Amino acid sequence: DQQVKQNSPSLSVQEGRISILNCDYTNSMFDYFLWYKKYPAEGPTFLISISSIKDKNEDGRFTVFLNKSAKHLSLHIVPSQPGDSAVYFCAASAGGGADGLTFGKGTHLIIQP
Amino acid sequence: DAGVIQSPRHEVTEMGQEVTLRCKPISGHNSLFWYRQTMMRGLELLIYFNNNVPIDDSGMPEDRFSAKMPNASFSTLKIQPSEPRDSAVYFCATTETGGQETQYFGPGTRLLVL
Repeated sequence: DQQVKQNSPSLSVQEGRISILNCDYTNSMFDYFLWYKKYPAEGPTFLISISSIKDKNEDGRFTVFLNKSAKHLSLHIVPSQPGDSAVYFCAASAGGGADGLTFGKGTHLIIQP
Repeated sequence: DAGVIQSPRHEVTEMGQEVTLRCKPISGHNSLFWYRQTMMRGLELLIYFNNNVPIDDSGMPEDRFSAKMPNASFSTLKIQPSEPRDSAVYFCATTETGGQETQYFGPGTRLLVL
C-alpha cells in the first residue's frame, strides 16, 4: 500500500503560468515533507521542504502548502519556466527525519512555451 | 565538493552473475541510504546506515541483496545472484546526521540484468 501518492503522472502547463503539483499521504506519523526534482539520467535534487508544525514554506518561485487534516500537500511554482520541466517527487519521513524517505511515484511536469 | 559518487553509472550483466554497486558519500556525511527506482514501484528505500552501522534493512527485497559500509567513505550494494527483475536504477543518498535534513543523491547506477 502506497503511503505517499501522487495521482497525476504528468502535468502540462504554459510558460509563465502557475504549476500546482499535488501529493497525498496516509501515514499519520509523517512529520517532515520534501519535494525533489529529477532530470533524466540524474539523481533527484532537493527543492523545498516543510515540517508538520508549519502549513506553508516559500522559497523564491516555489511554495509548499501542507494540510495536515487532509493529509495533503502541494507544490506551487510561479511563474513556471521551461527549466522547470522535470519529474517532481513528493517525499515524507517520520521520527524527525532520521529514517529514510518514502517517495511518491512522481509527476512529470512539462512547461510549454 | 564532488557530491555523492556512484559507480558504475551503467551495468549490464547476465542473470546469475554477481553485481556490486558502489557509493562514496559526501565527506562529513554520517548517514547513507540506498534506494531503488523502478517503473512499477517508483523510488523505494532499501537500507540505510548511520555512522557505518546498518539501521534498517527492511526494504531489502531478498537475501540475494546485501549492503555494507566498511568505513565512512565507502558503501557497497551487492546482488548475488542477479535476476532480470532486479533491473532498475539504484541511487545512493547521504545526509550529515540523518536528521531532518536534505538527502543528497548520487547520479544513480542503471542496472540491466539479461
